[in-house]
Parts: sequence; structure tokens; C-alpha cells
Amino acid sequence: DGGITQSPKYLFRKEGQNVTLSCEQNLNHDAMYWYRQDPGQGLRLIYYSQIVNDFQKGDIAEGYSVSREKKESFPLTVTSAQKNPTAFYLCASSAQGALPGETQYFGPGTRLLVL
Amino acid sequence: AQSVTQLGSHVSVSEGALVLLRCNYSSSVPPYLFWYVQYPNQGLQLLLKYTTGATLVKGINGFEAEFKKSETSFHLTKPSAHMSDAAEYFCAVISNSGYSTLTFGKGTMLLVSP
Repeated sequence: DGGITQSPKYLFRKEGQNVTLSCEQNLNHDAMYWYRQDPGQGLRLIYYSQIVNDFQKGDIAEGYSVSREKKESFPLTVTSAQKNPTAFYLCASSAQGALPGETQYFGPGTRLLVL
Repeated sequence: AQSVTQLGSHVSVSEGALVLLRCNYSSSVPPYLFWYVQYPNQGLQLLLKYTTGATLVKGINGFEAEFKKSETSFHLTKPSAHMSDAAEYFCAVISNSGYSTLTFGKGTMLLVSP
């Protein structure tokens, strides 16, 4: 089955610790995205990538970093600089990312909790 | 910059009643509009989208939405609610500015009572 997988489903972070959230897709999509979801806030864009080895900051990139070394993978690192990391993180992908009107397909999400 | 306003963080209906979830957008260019549904602790699933052409768009699970440019609205409707429709619904807009990032509304939780 084609789709987007995110792991782990739950992740716990200690103070001062960096953690990495995994996102993998087998849809052969060029574009990938990371969103953060907080209750009552909707989804906010963290980073996106339209092609391998290239990515752009979204609206709330501070305290986060990404890489795009492979087409199918777009890991997100939540650094210790992110002071309020508790949230639900959603990864998405779309076929090309440069055409408006493309559908974005979402993974099941990772819930990050701070200990 | 584009923005999306969803009126009502919670909407309650009885099973079999009409569902109406409101979405208004702001965009300086012709918009591309989406409705997504999210069940608890899951990702988002596309219900329907408007790009160009017919302004009444039909989606999955009996939902439809009408793009009204004069009202800058894209309200979601379903004639008869089912218990399985209980979920959170998000309206989103893509700006026609060369890349396809989404701006989401804050979501509307639909509650369906028997």
C-alpha cells in the first residue's frame, strides 16, 4: 500500500534534548511538509521541501530543523531551542509541490510530550 | 497573505439533521480551497477541493461545498448527519503564488447526537 508513515506514534522529550521525528513516503512524491497542530490552533507550517536537498522555512520554523537527503524521507528534529514542543506533528506530501491545487496527503502523526 | 476563518469551534447536530460548517477566506489571488477531516489522533483526510470550474464541489461521504467568490466563502454541507461524521473539520487555502503550501483554519469540531 502506498502512503506516509510517521514514527514513533508517541515521543517523550527531556529538557535540553533534541529529538527526531521520522516521516517516510512511498508515493514517489516530490514535495513534503511538516505541520504542527495545537488544540484550537489548526495546523501551522514548520518546513517544506519541494525537491531533494532543498527545503524552505514555514511560518514557525524557529527551534526546528529538517533534512531532505532522500526523496522518500523528510525527518524533523525538534531542538532544545524549541521551548514549547508539546504538540501533534503531522507530515504530508504532494506530487510536485509547485502546482497550486495539488492535494496534500497526510501521515498519521506523532504526538510529542515533554517530561 | 491568505487566511482562513472557520466560524464556530464546535457545531452540534442531531443524527439526520443538516450539517453546515462555515469557512471564509482571504486571498489576493483566485484561491484553491480544501476541506479536510480529522478523526481523533489521526492524520487528515481530504474531503473535497475547489480548483477551477464548477463552483459546487462534491466530495466523499456525502459532503459538498460551494465556492462563492462574492462572499469569499466555501461552506461545507451534508444533508443528513451520521454518527460517523463526528470529527474535526479543517478548511484550507493554497495561494496561487507558485508553491503549494496550505494555510489552515483553526478547525470546527462536529458533534453528532443520536
